[in-house]
Amino acid sequence: GQQLNQSPQSMFIQEGEDVSMNCTSSSIFNTWLWYKQEPGEGPVLLIALYKAGELTSNGRLTAQFGITRKDSFLNISASIPSDVGIYFCAGQRLRGGSNYKLTFGKGTLLTVNP
Amino acid sequence: GAVVSQHPSWVICKSGTSVKIECRSLDFQATTMFWYRQFPKQSLMLMATSNEGSKATYEQGVEKDKFLINHASLTLSTLTVTSAHPEDSSFYICSARTTNRGRNYGYTFGSGTRLTVV
Repeated sequence: GQQLNQSPQSMFIQEGEDVSMNCTSSSIFNTWLWYKQEPGEGPVLLIALYKAGELTSNGRLTAQFGITRKDSFLNISASIPSDVGIYFCAGQRLRGGSNYKLTFGKGTLLTVNP
Repeated sequence: GAVVSQHPSWVICKSGTSVKIECRSLDFQATTMFWYRQFPKQSLMLMATSNEGSKATYEQGVEKDKFLINHASLTLSTLTVTSAHPEDSSFYICSARTTNRGRNYGYTFGSGTRLTVV
């Protein structure tokens, strides 16, 4: 199935640094979601975006819904060791018989060195 | 918040046997649930959409007779891997769509099931 273009694929950073990752698509999405997944667990929702241009924060996390509705980014400020995990973007289209299916990016593996 | 409970968290079965995985929405009704498969270091791949009271919708390339989905109630969907083979070994995850006053709120995921077929 279709996937979103998520980058970077992996990041190795020092504790305290800021992190930025993004997703792009050739198609328009009505909703963008950002998830974090830890080993052996299901994804956990971090931020949900419903409107083009929307900028939303959740603690040290900030995400934006691109104005073209074809992209989104996630920033993590002042990273800490527990930020380690795989971060996925996901988009949803509400038209075209999508039946509310999500399309996932390939993920960004984040490693934080203490 | 919305919680989705998935069981078992891991299972080891012999080749040729069937395995059932359950996904329950604990504090909300889920008319639509989704089943994903995830290989190591890869993204989630949607297998099928499970609709309460009707047949599941399978993604292209997913064998519906091998991966049986039942969504008999608003809080329970099951995935049965029939005649399992080693290549079916994977991490299976369910999710349920949650809404707030009819507005799409998001998707809550279960904790996943690690299936190993020996």
